[in-house]
Formats: sequence, C-alpha cells, structure tokens
Amino acid sequence: DSGVTQTPKHLITATGQRVTLRCSPRSGDLSVYWYQQSLDQGLQFLIQYYNGEERAKGNILERFSAQQFPDLHSELNLSSLELGDSALYFCASSAGGWTDTQYFGPGTRLTVL
Amino acid sequence: SQQGEEDPQALSIQEGENATMNCSYKTSINNLQWYRQNSGRGLVHLILIRSNEREKHSGRLRVTLDTSKKSSSLLITASRAADTASYFCATDSTHNNNDMRFGAGTRLTVKP
Repeated sequence: DSGVTQTPKHLITATGQRVTLRCSPRSGDLSVYWYQQSLDQGLQFLIQYYNGEERAKGNILERFSAQQFPDLHSELNLSSLELGDSALYFCASSAGGWTDTQYFGPGTRLTVL
Repeated sequence: SQQGEEDPQALSIQEGENATMNCSYKTSINNLQWYRQNSGRGLVHLILIRSNEREKHSGRLRVTLDTSKKSSSLLITASRAADTASYFCATDSTHNNNDMRFGAGTRLTVKP
C-alpha cells in the first residue's frame, strides 16, 4: 500500500460526458502528479501540482484540467470524453519535486463507451 | 510522446538468471528513474540515478547510466518469479519544462 488513494476504482461513461477523478496523496507529500496509461500511448505524464500550484505540464489535453486543494488532495477533470480517453489514470505523490520518490496510487480505470 | 525506449520489449528468463533491460533516450536529462509495474497496478519506484552518476545499486538491482550514449541499463540479479512485471525507465529532461517521459516498458517474465 503506497498511501496514495484514488477514487473511483472504475468508471464507465459515455462519449461527450464529464468525469472527475480524485486523488489523496500520502500524508506529508506536497506534490501530486497525474498520469494516463493506455495501450496505444503508453504511460504519459499529464500534470504536476505542488502545494496547490501547477508546477509542470505534460501531454494534457485542453479538455482535461486539474487542481490541488488546500488539503492537498487533487482532482482531475475530464470533459467532452472521447473513446480514446479510455485508459488507466494514475495519481502519484512525492514530498517535493522530481528527484523525490513518487508513490503511485492504484489508478482509476476509465471506460468511455 | 515518449522519450525513453526500452529494449527488449519482452524478456523471458528462468528463475535464478540475471535480467538486463536497456533504456535509450533522446534529450539531455536531469535524472533517470526505473519503475516496476505489476499488471494493471500502480508503478513502484525502484531507483533514481542522476545525470552525474554512472552506477547505482539497490539490493539485487544495478543501474548504469551513460549520458554520452544517452542510455541506461537495469540489471536484476538472481531473478525470482516475483520479479515478473513490466519495467519502465523515465526521464525528466532539461528541455521539456521538467515533465517526465516514460518509455514503452520491458515486459519481464521469470519462470519458476
């Protein structure tokens, strides 16, 4: 158990819909990272927040957005969903930046029908 | 887009043998990390090697980094069936706003 929790575990929705994925980092960790893993794109970094502020941005689509709240939990919002958005979405947390070990949550499996 | 490329894509060995996986990348990096993923589960961090380091050890793991060749290798010695997993290298590049890029991974199968 990494100490990072993600909800929900599974999500099935239709094209055009909007969903919110939630992540609670390990106690004391200030950074939260979001990743997408799909069969065709592999594992891709989406975005990082540190203590409430966006720190780094990867291959995140404009239809996607994220935020980190004062209690340090984070939410990833996916809108206007397409079939290709079906993937595993992982959240990870670390104490600080990239050189700190990242602890991954169990992931949310999103299926868009 | 992916920065690192692991090879081989898949590796099958017997328990007790050593497993070597390679990773190549394209741009200058700050750090390179190796992760392990059991099927459908979250990644587990194995080891981080900085750009100014050449070799690191952690238990049965040995990682090397050759920045002149833009490549790294992960050696698992005396493999066990429990080492069966996918292994990914990840780099944070000096050129990409510090985002992290993962390779496609090597699927390692260790037969008992």
